[in-house]
Amino acid sequence: KQEVTQIPAALSVPEGENLVLNCSFTDSAIYNLQWFRQDPGKGLTSLLLIQSSQREQTSGRLNASLDKSSGRSTLYIAASQPGDSATYLCAVRPGSNYKLTFGKGTLLTVNP
Amino acid sequence: GAVVSQHPSWVICKSGTSVKIECRSLDFQATTMFWYRQFPKQSLMLMATSNEGSKATYEQGVEKDKFLINHASLTLSTLTVTSAHPEDSSFYICSAPRDRGRRANVLTFGAGSRLTVL
Repeated sequence: KQEVTQIPAALSVPEGENLVLNCSFTDSAIYNLQWFRQDPGKGLTSLLLIQSSQREQTSGRLNASLDKSSGRSTLYIAASQPGDSATYLCAVRPGSNYKLTFGKGTLLTVNP
Repeated sequence: GAVVSQHPSWVICKSGTSVKIECRSLDFQATTMFWYRQFPKQSLMLMATSNEGSKATYEQGVEKDKFLINHASLTLSTLTVTSAHPEDSSFYICSAPRDRGRRANVLTFGAGSRLTVL
């Protein structure tokens, strides 16, 4: 059974700092990995999706990497801003079906 | 493009009543939709897969008679929590993949529905 772990559970940083969020998964046989953002009481916004054959994806200040063999992914946020404050979720997709397995998320607070 | 609308966004009900949550794909057709549940500070857990024109498939431990799912059209799936109890209070989120087009196979999530059972 796939398990997804995110570390740290919570992170508080001053504005402008670069930061890294970590995600690990136990079964490396994944189809893709996705990072989401969730604001309090809201749904999920997809940030980056990395296919199993890819090693990284970038969008603006965000960069996600994937090391499938070691079961790890990182989300790098450059020059953090207060608006980045949210919970960041990592999810892996096992194959052709869409049964995503989510981590518990990292609650990020960026202080002005 | 690829918008999923979920309604209501929040609902409070008395114990023993039933609550219906709707999930609509606004600008694409979805033969499959997924229902997730999220308890506070926990990860999203897949409850069931909703299939247009056929029965939903439920994950282990999810009571199909309690969580009724209907996928009557290519753009609408509903989740009905029957005889709700306080332990059913949770955040319910639906998602749907596009069946075709440039963004086919990308999952789009609804904004979620917060259920509080008194």
